[in-house]
Amino acid sequence: SQTIHQWPATLVQPVGSPLSLECTVEGTSNPNLYWYRQAAGRGLQLLFYSVGIGQISSEVPQNLSASRPQDRQFILSSKKLLLSDSGFYLCAWAQGFNTEAFFGQGTRLTVV
Amino acid sequence: EDKVVQSPLSLVVHEGDTVTLNCSYEVTNFRSLLWYKQEKKAPTFLFMLTSSGIEKKSGRLSSILDKKELFSILNITATQTGDSAVYLCAGTLYGQNFVFGPGTRLSVLP
Repeated sequence: SQTIHQWPATLVQPVGSPLSLECTVEGTSNPNLYWYRQAAGRGLQLLFYSVGIGQISSEVPQNLSASRPQDRQFILSSKKLLLSDSGFYLCAWAQGFNTEAFFGQGTRLTVV
Repeated sequence: EDKVVQSPLSLVVHEGDTVTLNCSYEVTNFRSLLWYKQEKKAPTFLFMLTSSGIEKKSGRLSSILDKKELFSILNITATQTGDSAVYLCAGTLYGQNFVFGPGTRLSVLP
């Protein structure tokens, strides 16, 4: 069966520091991978998605970037965090575009 | 712009009540509608609806899609405190990504 791992679960970082969140999927190959951000009391905002190694599409211009160095690994990064980057970050995978997505446990990021 | 709207945004009920959560969508190239339950962390998948008028059921939860009127409902009967969560719906588009609604926060009081 497929599983998705996302870490860390919580993170407190100072403004201006770098960020790296990692997500890996097991039990499937060539999945679509997604990074979402969820602000308190709001829905999911798609940040990045990837349909294959090295292929990244950005949905929202921002202070973040994403990379997919391996088929089942998706990384969310920032060189310098802003206060506004605080939020709950979710990684997800789906087998193609027309199927349900499955989510990781999320990372709660607080930028101080 | 593709959009998914949910109502109500927040709902408080007592155990044993029946609730109906609404999801309407305005998306181009609509393919299917998904429902998720989000408690503390990861949204968990509930239903995927592709065809109009066919009810999907899982225990006390059921859902149906109306592609003519562009909406879906999620029913929960005999609610329990464990049903307290945020319920998200999302539209999937042909060859494209998911569009999520803002969610409905359901609180079930004992």
